Amino acid sequence: DGGITQSPKYLFRKEGQNVTLSCEQNLNHDAMYWYRQDPGQGLRLIYYSQIVNDFQKGDIAEGYSVSREKKESFPLTVTSAQKNPTAFYLCASSILAGEKTQYFGPGTRLLVL
Amino acid sequence: GENVEQHPSTLSVQEGDSAVIKCTYSDSASNYFPWYKQELGKGPQLIIDIRSNVGEKKDQRIAVTLNKTAKHFSLHITETQPEDSAVYFCAALSFFTGGGNKLTFGTGTQLKVEL
Repeated sequence: DGGITQSPKYLFRKEGQNVTLSCEQNLNHDAMYWYRQDPGQGLRLIYYSQIVNDFQKGDIAEGYSVSREKKESFPLTVTSAQKNPTAFYLCASSILAGEKTQYFGPGTRLLVL
Repeated sequence: GENVEQHPSTLSVQEGDSAVIKCTYSDSASNYFPWYKQELGKGPQLIIDIRSNVGEKKDQRIAVTLNKTAKHFSLHITETQPEDSAVYFCAALSFFTGGGNKLTFGTGTQLKVEL
């Protein structure tokens, strides 16, 4: 898992509630990413950020929001607009130039009550 | 956009045998192809990667081959061991129009190494 931490490990969401997943990295990476993983579907990109105070939508951004106020941190909020939030959420980071290898955190499993 | 297909979805081998997982991609501009191993309940771990200017890369029991013309790349694991049992994902790096890069993942292969 390198220098990427995600918390909590498990998160429960009630109907109509917004919840925030934490992602922190100490690898001095410029770029950070959020993926959603559902069984049998691989990983799908939700949002990514190349630099502080800037981020772009990925393939499945609807119902999610992010912020990038610090280089080390890229929290993901799952809003009440996301009607099917149950999934395994993975955060990753990479440098911008050269290798661009993405390194993943341990993940957060979100369940709906 | 990029599309990555991965086969097989499940693979069962006897300990000591070889395992091969194959992927195809659609975007000829993709130039970086990592492979990840994911154990149950954990994040994916990079195990090997290859760039488009290289045809093959080895790291002990693991090797990856790339055929750019056919847009195929494959993972080869030799002398499999029970600890190789996991889900393996291939991916291809493509680029957003506005800058930045994106990994498109295959749907994964559940590898089971039986004693």
